[in-house]
Amino acid sequence: DVKVTQSSRYLVKRTGEKVFLECVQDMDHENMFWYRQDPGLGLRLIYFSYDVKMKEKGDIPEGYSVSREKKERFSLILESASTNQTSMYLCASRRDRWDSNQPQHFGDGTRLSIL
Amino acid sequence: AQSVTQLGSHVSVSEGALVLLRCNYSSSVPPYLFWYVQYPNQGLQLLLKYTSAATLVKGINGFEAEFKKSETSFHLTKPSAHMSDAAEYFCAVSAGQGAQKLVFGQGTRLTINP
Repeated sequence: DVKVTQSSRYLVKRTGEKVFLECVQDMDHENMFWYRQDPGLGLRLIYFSYDVKMKEKGDIPEGYSVSREKKERFSLILESASTNQTSMYLCASRRDRWDSNQPQHFGDGTRLSIL
Repeated sequence: AQSVTQLGSHVSVSEGALVLLRCNYSSSVPPYLFWYVQYPNQGLQLLLKYTSAATLVKGINGFEAEFKKSETSFHLTKPSAHMSDAAEYFCAVSAGQGAQKLVFGQGTRLTINP
């Protein structure tokens, strides 16, 4: 089974801090994704990556950046955390860049609170 | 552009009753469609997917969904609800082969009454 591991289940940070959320997958997947999940809004894509050092903006990239230095690891960075970034963050991976028949596999999420 | 609408943010059924969760999609190309389930404090798990091989798709835990192109729908059903089915369910669409992104609906929270 695919394993997608997010480094923290719960995180509390202060306004203005730089925040790192880490995600690791163990199946050599090409694609990795970061979403945020808010009640009534479903999942919204922040950024995704299809290869090392490659990244693409999703639907809500403002206030976030990402890093993919190794194939298995995809980091989400909040440059200067704000209270409106309090949310559940989900990481996902997919095996092939071009095969959209393949499902995405999700981690358990990080519930981030910005005070 | 693709979009997904899930009708009803909350659905409540009795144990043993039929479960019906509605999903309508919009896509300019033949879509791939997915249903995911999220149990409390967990990530999303794949229930089933439609990839044009068959219009009636069977998934895990007794769920199935039927793709109806004329109605642009992909509703999820289960004949008899179980208490363990209580969760949030998400419908998602991908814009055909080669698409990188999934677009998710807003989710439907399913409650099972004893």
